[in-house]
Amino acid sequence: DQQVKQNSPSLSVQEGRISILNCDYTNSMFDYFLWYKKYPAEGPTFLISISSIKDKNEDGRFTVFLNKSAKHLSLHIVPSQPGDSAVYFCAASANTGNQFYFGTGTSLTVIP
Amino acid sequence: GAVVSQHPSWVICKSGTSVKIECRSLDFQATTMFWYRQFPKQSLMLMATSNEGSKATYEQGVEKDKFLINHASLTLSTLTVTSAHPEDSSFYICSASSLLWTGGNQPQHFGDGTRLSIL
Repeated sequence: DQQVKQNSPSLSVQEGRISILNCDYTNSMFDYFLWYKKYPAEGPTFLISISSIKDKNEDGRFTVFLNKSAKHLSLHIVPSQPGDSAVYFCAASANTGNQFYFGTGTSLTVIP
Repeated sequence: GAVVSQHPSWVICKSGTSVKIECRSLDFQATTMFWYRQFPKQSLMLMATSNEGSKATYEQGVEKDKFLINHASLTLSTLTVTSAHPEDSSFYICSASSLLWTGGNQPQHFGDGTRLSIL
């Protein structure tokens, strides 16, 4: 059973515009969420995280929003750059042993 | 900081061979290491969690006699795929975290993965 879902397998955005990647989860015990970026044949790289006590966390061009009632989080990238083209995974943890559950990923393509 | 090194990055071997993959935390003590497997266009599937000095905890459906995990030190964990067959071909990724980190929740840090191809 997939506890973390990314329903859009791919997304294309024009350079300079905003990229919005979405993630839904089912386990109400999740209280820590992360986004990872992954290039082909490489391991995921940590991008940004958010704790359930917040609804927004910003780091440069990257902002993560958390809507606990909807069990939904999103990653906003603005402005999008060609180097942002990668697969983005969201992950969630219930902080009961630091096991993370990953979504299936969204492949972002930023068109120059 | 928090660099995880995984070796080898790519290995091709014959069916029936055993293959060892190493995962090292270079600048921190990894009290916990995780091993994932990723099939093309699919999510990262957790195979097992290992705490230093303890036996690994395997996820349901993962054969512990097939995928041997050792985490004998705070900086090294190994995954050995025993008697590998073509269906074991996949991308294997390790990650590490530390219970010694302060400041609340902490992300896992990943190695670059190992592409295993069994002929």
